[in-house]
Amino acid sequence: GAVVSQHPSRVICKSGTSVKIECRSLDFQATTMFWYRQFPKQSLMLMATSNEGSKATYEQGVEKDKFLINHASLTLSTLTVTSAHPEDSSFYICSASDPGADTQYFGPGTRLTVL
Amino acid sequence: SQKIEQNSEALNIQEGKTATLTCNYTNYSPAYLQWYRQDPGRGPVFLLLIRENEKEKRKERLKVTFDTTLKQSLFHITASQPADSATYLCALVWNRKLIWGLGTSLAVNP
Repeated sequence: GAVVSQHPSRVICKSGTSVKIECRSLDFQATTMFWYRQFPKQSLMLMATSNEGSKATYEQGVEKDKFLINHASLTLSTLTVTSAHPEDSSFYICSASDPGADTQYFGPGTRLTVL
Repeated sequence: SQKIEQNSEALNIQEGKTATLTCNYTNYSPAYLQWYRQDPGRGPVFLLLIRENEKEKRKERLKVTFDTTLKQSLFHITASQPADSATYLCALVWNRKLIWGLGTSLAVNP
């Protein structure tokens, strides 16, 4: 149980385009989902916390207009990187909390490369 | 400042031996701490959670200890196998968020 999927697993785009990443909890309903970014040999950095039906809470230093998060249902959250630039190239990982559990279950991640 | 530290050096051990990884934290008083495994290019996979009132927790070949006085957690893999080679991350929950260590890279040599 507690499976989280992410799509796409890998995306390459040109500078200035927008990229949408989907995160789905497959076998449980997640009231809260989290979006992380991880640079090589760095720890996971929390970008934002997404609650179903409400606005996401962004961490300090994360531009909410650049990283649009939508949590429209209990099983789906999306992250849109708008007007992507090469410095946005990173590994983006989502996670979902199983209500009543104290753990987060992670998706497989999305490797974004902006040319 | 608050921080969480793991063995910075990669750990190389021989198959069959016990691997011991360390996680130290300062200026937190977490209610629980978690260990995850991360393979290259993949998201973390949850392994074990240990609460502040638990001294030790086991799951198959894995054992975690939690010393709130020392502010330290130890993660043990007994009878290690090459398939255990990965990066192991500790994370503590603070203000409903996970705070992560950098991870320790473990290589188990056949």
